[in-house]
Amino acid sequence: QVQLQESGPGLVKPSQTLSLTCTVSGGSISSGNYFWSWIRQPPGKGLEWIGHIYYSGSTYYNPSLKSRVTISIDTSKNQFSLKLSSVTAADTAVYYCASSGSYYDSSGTRYFDLWGRGTLVTVSS
Amino acid sequence: DIQMTQSPSSVSASVGDRVTITCRASQGIGNWLAWYQQKPGKAPNLVIYAATSLHSGVPSRFSGSGSGTDFSLTISSLQPEDFATYYCQQGNTFPLTFGGGTKVEIK
Repeated sequence: QVQLQESGPGLVKPSQTLSLTCTVSGGSISSGNYFWSWIRQPPGKGLEWIGHIYYSGSTYYNPSLKSRVTISIDTSKNQFSLKLSSVTAADTAVYYCASSGSYYDSSGTRYFDLWGRGTLVTVSS
Repeated sequence: DIQMTQSPSSVSASVGDRVTITCRASQGIGNWLAWYQQKPGKAPNLVIYAATSLHSGVPSRFSGSGSGTDFSLTISSLQPEDFATYYCQQGNTFPLTFGGGTKVEIK
């Protein structure tokens, strides 16, 4: 079955760009059955959906982060990526990649039953 | 954005107790609601989708109800493995949004 795994630096300096990659295994990222999302969770707090990408490259970003977020896809590597620019301490969080092959429609994933293990990114000098 | 408000923020209960958590949406979302269980250091796990449907492999002691703006998750007989934090999430409108969470603690 499809599995997701996040990777990237665990420490980013303020004002720099956070970059993470999610590797998809057990299936093709180019399958039309999935939208690929990023979700984050600050330590001890709730979950925030960042945005998603479809294999075609079509994206949707949370308006709260839209000016700083870029999600891209590399079908040759079966990976999708997150870039978040101008980070501050408020961007310190566990970042998850997530999806579903079951709970989606033409607009995107509605519910998530596929999650990576998450990766903690700390923004600090 | 649709705001999701959960209550209570925490609940203390014993094994065997019946526990109900509520979630309110800031506007009507039909039955586009999911519940997730999250244990410390782990990713969330889907429990309920479409407000009342049990995700595959989830024990039948979990149930969901509601539509429109008011929803609830009930655990009929709390088991030791159910102590966790539960989140609701609306799937009606993008951006998708989550509630603040309810921590189910051991009394």
